[in-house]
Amino acid sequence: KAGVTQTPRYLIKTRGQQVTLSCSPISGHRSVSWYQQTPGQGLQFLFEYFSETQRNKGNFPGRFSGRQFSNSRSEMNVSTLELGDSALYLCASSLDGTPYEQYFGPGTRLTVT
Amino acid sequence: GENVEQHPSTLSVQEGDSAVIKCTYSDSASNYFPWYKQELGKRPQLIIDIRSNVGEKKDQRIAVTLNKTAKHFSLHITETQPEDSAVYFCAASIGVTALIFGKGTTLSVSS
Repeated sequence: KAGVTQTPRYLIKTRGQQVTLSCSPISGHRSVSWYQQTPGQGLQFLFEYFSETQRNKGNFPGRFSGRQFSNSRSEMNVSTLELGDSALYLCASSLDGTPYEQYFGPGTRLTVT
Repeated sequence: GENVEQHPSTLSVQEGDSAVIKCTYSDSASNYFPWYKQELGKRPQLIIDIRSNVGEKKDQRIAVTLNKTAKHFSLHITETQPEDSAVYFCAASIGVTALIFGKGTTLSVSS
């Protein structure tokens, strides 16, 4: 089975712009979670989707949003980018909507200048 | 809010020694505790996990122990090798949908 894939892998944006990141889960997996990874804060939970529904959201501002499609692919969007949004954005998929056995994608490295 | 504390933040050992990383969680409802290994420039990889109905789990040189009463769990790596050098993250389940991660431990194994 192919693993979790994310596109694009690298992105450079300017403050104030918006960005959309994409995540394709392992075939058959129905849950997608998104995390922000920074050197100082580690892995921080953004949100989780299951069957096109956001079931849980971390402590991030409303500029961070996401959605999931009927094929379980997910996108996250960050509007009005700030310098502090520079990070590695990771998605992880799991089979049945539980947090058990989450498998990560390679991440999208976002740099905001 | 829910929190996972991980210690130490850095750990240096000689090849062949054992390494232990400890985590404490705050949510008494947490019932799933995975450990991830992240090598430089790569994605986090699930290396072992434990559920709350089990006190210990082993997989070759890696073991995890869980003390639900004290709300802490630990990763034990025996006979460390240079390829064990990486950042290790512990996590605890929050509700039925999410994981909360510790801030990571950088393990360096010198030969």
